[in-house]
Amino acid sequence: EDKVVQSPLSLVVHEGDTVTLNCSYEVTNFRSLLWYKQEKKAPTFLFMLTSSGIEKKSGRLSSILDKKELFSILNITATQTGDSAVYLCAQGGAGSYQLTFGKGTKLSVIP
Amino acid sequence: DVKVTQSSRYLVKRTGEKVFLECVQDMDHENMFWYRQDPGLGLRLIYFSYDVKMKEKGDIPEGYSVSREKKERFSLILESASTNQTSMYLCASSPWAYNSPLHFGNGTRLTVT
Repeated sequence: EDKVVQSPLSLVVHEGDTVTLNCSYEVTNFRSLLWYKQEKKAPTFLFMLTSSGIEKKSGRLSSILDKKELFSILNITATQTGDSAVYLCAQGGAGSYQLTFGKGTKLSVIP
Repeated sequence: DVKVTQSSRYLVKRTGEKVFLECVQDMDHENMFWYRQDPGLGLRLIYFSYDVKMKEKGDIPEGYSVSREKKERFSLILESASTNQTSMYLCASSPWAYNSPLHFGNGTRLTVT
């Protein structure tokens, strides 16, 4: 059974739309929830959310962590074609160096 | 900026060959990781290392081994490549702190024919 589940698996929107990407995780050993953006090459780090930091914002991107319902969302407002990518969510466990990734959401922004 | 460099962007090997994938990081990070990424399966951890000469199995270590003789270098070895090891391989590094963000290399797309 998957520990980190992302939805939707793919999404197509028009430029200017607002999108919300979802990520649910397990509570066992939870320490952090991370978001990455992957274009054609290396995933690049966006946000890390922990018990002490449940909301992050950077420009048009923002993310929140709901510890009660065990999920996180990534919001992108006023989308641009450059936002087209696969967005990865990952859970970090307590006392662990490794991250467990979801399968990703493929976002396509069309002009 | 952290730089994680993977030696090859594309690699084509034959079934049964021994394959070496090399990864070097320049930020003195303690932790290094090898993931493979497949459509519909996401990123899956093969092996990781938290110190020189130390290694830990990830979720899918079968058919792979690793070597970390120097802190900056982490090698993934396919002893006898098989077609089901055709995949994108991603190397990553992170500092010692638990749950630090991983910094990824650009990946090696390996095709085994």
